Amino acid sequence: AQSVTQLGSHVSVSEGALVLLRCNYSSSVPPYLFWYVQYPNQGLQLLLKYTSAATLVKGINGFEAEFKKSETSFHLTKPSAHMSDAAEYFCAVYYNQGGKLIFGQGTELSVKP
Amino acid sequence: DTGVSQDPRHKITKRGQNVTFRCDPISEHNRLYWYRQTLGQGPEFLTYFQNEAQLEKSRLLSDRFSAERPKGSFSTLEIQRTEQGDSAMYLCASSLSQGRASGRLGEQYFGPGTRLTVT
Repeated sequence: AQSVTQLGSHVSVSEGALVLLRCNYSSSVPPYLFWYVQYPNQGLQLLLKYTSAATLVKGINGFEAEFKKSETSFHLTKPSAHMSDAAEYFCAVYYNQGGKLIFGQGTELSVKP
Repeated sequence: DTGVSQDPRHKITKRGQNVTFRCDPISEHNRLYWYRQTLGQGPEFLTYFQNEAQLEKSRLLSDRFSAERPKGSFSTLEIQRTEQGDSAMYLCASSLSQGRASGRLGEQYFGPGTRLTVT
């Protein structure tokens, strides 16, 4: 069965520090991969997606993610954290055979001043 | 273009009551999805529609749950005889199907959710 694993349910960084949120997927076929962000009491907002066009994907708010097939990973990074980045981040996979997104359990990012 | 909207945003109900939620997708999107999210977890897929056809249902969707999209536009999700375990955030999302999506295949756009509390 397809699955997504996000390592670390909570990540805390200082403002201005590097953000690294980890995501690994299980797949026998190339998936489409997504990162979403969720602010408290809100829905999910699409940050970026990988669809095989390029392994390094740039998204909104300065985030980017790199697809590594050999490691089945799609980690999210941002060079310099901002207080407004504090939120819950979800990695998800989409398979064209079905319609649904399969989400990881999420990583809560805290940013310390 | 307006985003996905959901109504109500919050619902408190007593155990055993029926509740109904509404989702209005982005107007040109022909796919509509329902997910459930409990505290500290990622969203879990419940069901999805392409136009008015319900194409897939999760085993999470018990007999007490029913979803409809009668005219291929808005959708409703009904929970009958609510249980405390039904307390969760119910998220709706919409997208374009494969034939229409072009470079946006797989992109789902989420509404703000309906938070259900069963007391």
